[in-house]
Amino acid sequence: GQSLEQPSEVTAVEGAIVQINCTYQTSGFYGLSWYQQHDGGAPTFLSYNALDGLEETGRFSSFLSRSDSYGYLLLQELQMKDSASYFCAVREKYGQNFVFGPGTRLSVLP
Amino acid sequence: DAGVIQSPRHEVTEMGQEVTLRCKPISGHNSLFWYRQTMMRGLELLIYFNNNVPIDDSGMPEDRFSAKMPNASFSTLKIQPSEPRDSAVYFCASSPTGSRLGIEAFFGQGTRLTVV
Repeated sequence: GQSLEQPSEVTAVEGAIVQINCTYQTSGFYGLSWYQQHDGGAPTFLSYNALDGLEETGRFSSFLSRSDSYGYLLLQELQMKDSASYFCAVREKYGQNFVFGPGTRLSVLP
Repeated sequence: DAGVIQSPRHEVTEMGQEVTLRCKPISGHNSLFWYRQTMMRGLELLIYFNNNVPIDDSGMPEDRFSAKMPNASFSTLKIQPSEPRDSAVYFCASSPTGSRLGIEAFFGQGTRLTVV
């Protein structure tokens, strides 16, 4: 089995940088994914880390440390449209289930 | 590709009625997932199919819930009888195998179910 933990809420101002952490316990997984969900919408894929280290995709970066069972999503140059919920997720190697964390609600203030 | 298609988008039903939610995954995707999302419990995995076969249904709340995938392009989630506590947004997602395995799940727009 596996479990993922995230902070429930984060608040930041436009133009700032924010980091959303994810800690996990899992018996084996392919990698750590991040999803964004706006109110009333569906989760959409943002980023993925198969290996330890930093992956950058435009204003978003994601980091994974398997030895620390830890990852984070870094959002730079925050914009109002980044206000949403962000979920970390893993796909198990053995059961191959896709499991999501509880989500972090990001509020970007003007 | 049209993406994952779910129907209906909204469903309001009376307690005790049968509800059937439908999903068409992305063509070529071998994995299909049903999730339920509520404010209290977040995104809960209900059941997972691989190549049309149910692999893990441990998340299905109780016997009132059942899911089928008769072929690679269609899946249903049925609730019979429905109860007010089943009110939630139900998402279907599909994921490819091969090189993209474990990377990305594609979600439908969800079905907002209200049981009164």
